[in-house]
Amino acid sequence: AQTVTQSQPEMSVQEAETVTLSCTYDTSESDYYLFWYKQPPSRQMILVIRQEAYKQQNATENRFSVNFQKAAKSFSLKISDSQLGDAAMYFCAYAEYYTGNQFYFGTGTSLTVIP
Amino acid sequence: SQTIHQWPATLVQPVGSPLSLECTVEGTSNPNLYWYRQAAGRGLQLLFYSVGIGQISSEVPQNLSASRPQDRQFILSSKKLLLSDSGFYLCAWSVDRDGTEAFFGQGTRLTVV
Repeated sequence: AQTVTQSQPEMSVQEAETVTLSCTYDTSESDYYLFWYKQPPSRQMILVIRQEAYKQQNATENRFSVNFQKAAKSFSLKISDSQLGDAAMYFCAYAEYYTGNQFYFGTGTSLTVIP
Repeated sequence: SQTIHQWPATLVQPVGSPLSLECTVEGTSNPNLYWYRQAAGRGLQLLFYSVGIGQISSEVPQNLSASRPQDRQFILSSKKLLLSDSGFYLCAWSVDRDGTEAFFGQGTRLTVV
C-alpha cells in the first residue's frame, strides 16, 4: 500500500489569513493522482482539489491552491482568505488508476479558524 | 445524478455479535466501491475495495469481510465483533476511469460495547 503522511495533526489560522497544510507521499509510480478532501463536523467527505501527477501546473480552485513538488513527493494545500466555514479536518489522498483506483489517505490535519 | 446511501447512521452492538453495514449507489453502473474505517488519529484506513460483482480485495487482514452481491451494492460484515472494531465506517464509490475522485457516503458510527 502507498503511504501518505500529514505531519501536522492540528493547525490554526486567523480569519482572512492564509494557511498551508502539508502532505508527503511515497510511491514508485509516475502516473497517479492527488487529492485534498475536507471533512467538516458533519463527517461528510468533500473534495476540495485534485492534481494529476503528469501536470506540472499546480491546481487551483478559488481560494484553494496546491504546491505540487513531484520530485520531492510533496503536495501542500494553501487556503487563502480563510473563512470560518473552512474549519474542518483536511485529508490528503493518493490514487492510482491501474490498481483499481485505490485511494490512500493521510491521517488528517484539523484546521481551526479563529475569528 | 449519482447518489450513495449508507446505513445505518449509528449502531451500538455488543462484543461477539454480528455486523452488517450496507451501501448502495444510484445513478451509475459498474462503479468501484470502497469501505474505509476512520479511527481517531489514524485517518482513513482502506479496508476493502471492489472493481466488480464478486470481486473483493482486502487491504488489511482483520475481523471483517465484504461482499458485492449486486453491481451497486457493497456490504461490510463481521461474524463476531470485537471492541477494536469500533469506529466510523465510510463507504465510497468512484467511476472506473483514470483520475476520478471518490464520492463518500454519510458514514456509520459503530460502537462495540
